[in-house]
Amino acid sequence: AQKITQTQPGMFVQEKEAVTLDCTYDTSDPSYGLFWYKQPSSGEMIFLIYQGSYDQQNATEGRYSLNFQKARKSANLVISASQLGDSAMYFCAMREGLLTGGGNKLTFGTGTQLKVEL
Amino acid sequence: DSGVTQTPKHLITATGQRVTLRCSPRSGDLSVYWYQQSLDQGLQFLIQYYNGEERAKGNILERFSAQQFPDLHSELNLSSLELGDSALYFCASSVKPGSPGGSSNTEAFFGQGTRLTVV
Repeated sequence: AQKITQTQPGMFVQEKEAVTLDCTYDTSDPSYGLFWYKQPSSGEMIFLIYQGSYDQQNATEGRYSLNFQKARKSANLVISASQLGDSAMYFCAMREGLLTGGGNKLTFGTGTQLKVEL
Repeated sequence: DSGVTQTPKHLITATGQRVTLRCSPRSGDLSVYWYQQSLDQGLQFLIQYYNGEERAKGNILERFSAQQFPDLHSELNLSSLELGDSALYFCASSVKPGSPGGSSNTEAFFGQGTRLTVV
């Protein structure tokens, strides 16, 4: 089974509108972290937002917020007030076994290509 | 700027050759991860080093190897290159010593990547 599933290969949104990018995950580990990254056409991976499995509140970072629904195993990214510069590929990723320390690998979804239109 | 430095940014080489990709992690980060991003395989974890020792292995070919040096920088060696090895190779670093599990200190910050083209 896929550990990270992003079901939207592509999304369009109008400038200044909000958009939700879907991500569901699969793990039996009680301690995990969920990440969202942005990859513009230039190729670099830009960290956007992080949600820990034990965090009580949904993470927010500026225009980015994470709609974390633990029981549903979903971690959707919400971008408010979309801008043209938000056009990029967006990846959801998970890190399991946080309590083991030392860091663990990220498992990525297949990504969602977001296009912001005027 | 993530603080993770990868060199070179671009590399073009012929089949059968060997190349070395270099990564300097963020100051103080002990873990270095290597990832490969290709069109057909997506983003895949290759290998992790933690404070100089191999910690985890992913889908890394036997022709590929890595190491982490005492100053914590890491190198990924790719040998007997094939056309299919053409990809974007990322290095990421995380985990400052003493950071608790589950905190934001477990973020992985990525370098800008090395785009390898095998011709």
